[in-house]
Parts: sequence; C-alpha cells; structure tokens
Amino acid sequence: KAGVTQTPRYLIKTRGQQVTLSCSPISGHRSVSWYQQTPGQGLQFLFEYFSETQRNKGNFPGRFSGRQFSNSRSEMNVSTLELGDSALYLCASSESDRLAGELFFGEGSRLTVL
Amino acid sequence: AQKVTQAQTEISVVEKEDVTLDCVYETRDTTYYLFWYKQPPSGELVFLIRRNSFDEQNEISGRYSWNFQKSTSSFNFTITASQVVDSAVYFCALSEAGSGNTPLVFGKGTRLSVIA
Repeated sequence: KAGVTQTPRYLIKTRGQQVTLSCSPISGHRSVSWYQQTPGQGLQFLFEYFSETQRNKGNFPGRFSGRQFSNSRSEMNVSTLELGDSALYLCASSESDRLAGELFFGEGSRLTVL
Repeated sequence: AQKVTQAQTEISVVEKEDVTLDCVYETRDTTYYLFWYKQPPSGELVFLIRRNSFDEQNEISGRYSWNFQKSTSSFNFTITASQVVDSAVYFCALSEAGSGNTPLVFGKGTRLSVIA
C-alpha cells in the first residue's frame, strides 16, 4: 500500500500570497487530519475531515481552510501568507472514523514565507 | 484542558546505552488515549504505540518498552540497547475520549541522538 503523499514537498512564497497544499491518504482511509509543525509551537492541530465533512478545527485564523474530496484526497489553503506561517505542514490519514485511531503521516510540505 | 509535557528537549547517548524518554500528561477525562510517535529526519511521524486509560499494563516490543502510570500521569518510553537508527525526535500525544475523541495534543518532543 502506498503511504500518505503530500505535494509539494517544498515551496517558497512571499507575504500576502496564498498557497494550496495537497494530501492523498492511504487507499481506503477516509479520515484526513492536518497539523502545523514549527520550532516554537511544536505540532498543532489544524483540522480533520471525514467523508468530505470537517469534523474538528483547531485554533487557527480563518486564513487557514481545507476541504476533502469524494476520493478522500484533501487540500488545505492558506491565504494572505504571513512570515509566521512558515512551517512543516503534515497530513495524516486514518481508516478509523474516530480520532484515536492510529494516524499515518506523510512527509509533509515545508512552506517558507519570505 | 489537555496537555502533554516532555521535559527533556534533547538527549544524547552512546550506542548500546538504555535511554528513557519522559512524558507527563494532564487531562480531566477518565477515558483517554496516549500515543508515542517517532519523527526521523525525513519528516513523517511514525506511530509507535497507543494505550487507553484503562489499560495500565506495561508493554514491550523488541527493544522498546512503555511504562504507563496513572498515579503519576506519566507514560514513559524506554529504548534498550540504543542504536544509531533510533536517532529521531520522539513525541508523546494525548487524545481525550470523553465526548468524542479529540484531536491529538502533542508534547514538544524529545530529540534523541545516539552516537556510535
């Protein structure tokens, strides 16, 4: 089975731009979660989708949004980028519809905002 | 509110030494799950173990073992006879299950360096 695939792996943007990150979960997994990892704040939960519905959302501003498609692939979007948005964005999928299931993570998309 | 504390920011050991990574958690729920994940340099987090709050049995898996003690709210992780491949950042995490499982709350991680 292929693992969780995230694209792009690396990207550089400038302040004010927007970015879209993509995540393809493991085949058969319907739950997708997104986390932001920074040296200062560590790993922070962004949102979780199950069967195209957002079930949980972390404490992030409205500039951060996401969606899930019928094939379980997910995208997250960050608009009006700020320097502080520079981070590793990790996507995780799970076959369980309960968040306490084992999460399988991708290698992440490393975003640098200049 | 749930919280996970990993007081050790960085640990360095010589190969073949045993090492214990500490994890202390806070939760008001009586039902919760605890996790350990490993993050190698490639970036992805690798699941190591999940424990529910009703199962305090210690677990051993090869060179890895976990000690769960509700009395001290700790879930420590020991690597026996460490190897260079164990070098990574290790995260402890908590999910409360009282009213539907909450997203994982992670500790800040412990960076383990195993020196040959």
